[in-house]
Amino acid sequence: QQQVKQSPQSLIVQKGGISIINCAYENTAFDYFPWYQQFPGKGPALLIAIRPDVSEKKEGRFTISFNKSAKQFSLHIMDSQPGDSATYFCAANFGNEKLTFGTGTRLTIIP
Amino acid sequence: KAGVTQTPRYLIKTRGQQVTLSCSPISGHRSVSWYQQTPGQGLQFLFEYFSETQRNKGNFPGRFSGRQFSNSRSEMNVSTLELGDSALYLCASSLGQVNSPLHFGNGTRLTVT
Repeated sequence: QQQVKQSPQSLIVQKGGISIINCAYENTAFDYFPWYQQFPGKGPALLIAIRPDVSEKKEGRFTISFNKSAKQFSLHIMDSQPGDSATYFCAANFGNEKLTFGTGTRLTIIP
Repeated sequence: KAGVTQTPRYLIKTRGQQVTLSCSPISGHRSVSWYQQTPGQGLQFLFEYFSETQRNKGNFPGRFSGRQFSNSRSEMNVSTLELGDSALYLCASSLGQVNSPLHFGNGTRLTVT
């Protein structure tokens, strides 16, 4: 049972554009929603995270938007750069339960 | 501060054999989680150990087992290897508190032939 659905599977964005990755979850008990970034040959690294008491969180060029009623959250990368090319994973959990990951989005930024 | 260290980086095993993977967490981290990463399935949770006790378990068969030592280092064992076990196995450590971020190692690439 996939509890976190992520789309798109792959995304190509021009340099300077906005990259948008979407996730939807089923478990209403989830109260922690992180995004991880993974480069080839490396393990995933925490990028940014949000809790459901806020609708948006911004860190530099990265923004999480959260819609509790729709059970959806998304990652926006503003002014996308070639160095942002990586695989992005959304995730969710509650308490000390396991972190459940989406299936990943391979982002490619082209010049 | 040293990151999460996983050894070995690469392994090639034959179907039916068993394998042990090792993970050294960040100093001070008491929780170690293991994930299997495959192109089609993404990151699948195997299990989590906290202070030498298994705290969470995923939906993997009993061939997959793990343990954690008193120094928080962890090992994962897979017995009777199958071709479908070929994957990148990732270990992640954390403080083990609610919403503690996971810090991943670079994984062990296991190939079963």
